[in-house]
Amino acid sequence: LAKTTQPISMDSYEGQEVNITCSHNNIATNDYITWYQQFPSQGPRFIIQGYKTKVTNEVASLFIPADRKSSTLSLPRVSLSDTAVYYCLVGDARSGGGADGLTFGKGTHLIIQP
Amino acid sequence: EPEVTQTPSHQVTQMGQEVILRCVPISNHLYFYWYRQILGQKVEFLVSFYNNEISEKSEIFDDQFSVERPDGSNFTLKIRSTKLEDSAMYFCASKGRVGSTDTQYFGPGTRLTVL
Repeated sequence: LAKTTQPISMDSYEGQEVNITCSHNNIATNDYITWYQQFPSQGPRFIIQGYKTKVTNEVASLFIPADRKSSTLSLPRVSLSDTAVYYCLVGDARSGGGADGLTFGKGTHLIIQP
Repeated sequence: EPEVTQTPSHQVTQMGQEVILRCVPISNHLYFYWYRQILGQKVEFLVSFYNNEISEKSEIFDDQFSVERPDGSNFTLKIRSTKLEDSAMYFCASKGRVGSTDTQYFGPGTRLTVL
């Protein structure tokens, strides 16, 4: 599994766009990039997944440059309720075995202030 | 939207007792997982289960742990003789239904407190 590096914490304000960058220099050809969000005392929640270029859903956008050695999760117009830990995971999400457990790092603790 | 459910939400037990944590994965999902998170630490993978058998397990998942899918809906984690260090949040997850992505969907967790 490719190792990921992301900031331990970030602060922002309501209404701002927040970008969290994750480095994964050893990403493999078959690896996908997945972001999860976790609120205190709750299970991780899937946000977005991508392989290359840009992916957008109703919650976030994921930007992946051509070399795929990093990725950026973009949260538009954050609110107080976006305060959470955000995890970047890299792995072969579509492996034939399919049963691989996820490896979580420490994530980025995002704090949104009024 | 379908979701993974877990019971109980909080379990308190005495050291050395057996506990069973229960999960109902999303209907028609094929892969099932248990994770744990000790307070203030990372989410750690314990075990994955597919086709009625363990597919993968971590070093944490020793002989004190077992998993079972006793019927078509429940997925359980049993800790045979709990230790103080087993105190943690335990999350169940599932993934994989026909036509889906491979995202794992997590339940709300069971907080296990071992006294």
